Amino acid sequence: DAGVTQSPTHLIKTRGQQVTLRCSPKSGHDTVSWYQQALGQGPQFIFQYYEEEERQRGNFPDRFSGHQFPNYSSELNVNALLLGDSALYLCASSLQGGYEKLFFGSGTQLSVL
Amino acid sequence: AQRVTQPEKLLSVFKGAPVELKCNYSYSGSPELFWYVQYSRQRLQLLLRHISRESIKGFTADLNKGETSFHLKKPFAQEEDSAMYYCALKGAQKLVFGQGTRLTINP
Repeated sequence: DAGVTQSPTHLIKTRGQQVTLRCSPKSGHDTVSWYQQALGQGPQFIFQYYEEEERQRGNFPDRFSGHQFPNYSSELNVNALLLGDSALYLCASSLQGGYEKLFFGSGTQLSVL
Repeated sequence: AQRVTQPEKLLSVFKGAPVELKCNYSYSGSPELFWYVQYSRQRLQLLLRHISRESIKGFTADLNKGETSFHLKKPFAQEEDSAMYYCALKGAQKLVFGQGTRLTINP
């Protein structure tokens, strides 16, 4: 069992660019949640995808969007990147839209210059 | 609104001493509380949740609705407990994390 996998591990972009981050959930899981973790902070909830739909959303602007595919993998897209978007982006998988036990990936470290 | 507060960013105790990591929450509904842990060079992982009422690696946590707290406790700290600990609250269909406490166990 490979667990939750995220790609890429590191990414450097410039302001105004767009970025796509990818996540494959743990085998058997059908729900993906995305979190942003700034340096020295706890993970902040961006949104959750279940049954290929965005189910819940945190306090993030529309520049942050996502998608879930039929195989349950997910993408996080961020448009018009700002310096403040620099952070570790974590993906977590679970079952049936729940949060009872999240399995986290290692994250994608995004740097915006 | 949901909010989780972990008042201590850093906590250092000696091996064998008791440990208490504080967590306070704000939520008007019926909360579900969790503790997540991240050991060095490892992924964030679930340590325990209040509905299970279990002890994991010697840690326990009791939900106190009157004080809106969910403190994590261990009677005798071990060096392998050194890690980053996050308290999390599930309410309104999303999971909110606190800022975390870095626990260091000194030999």
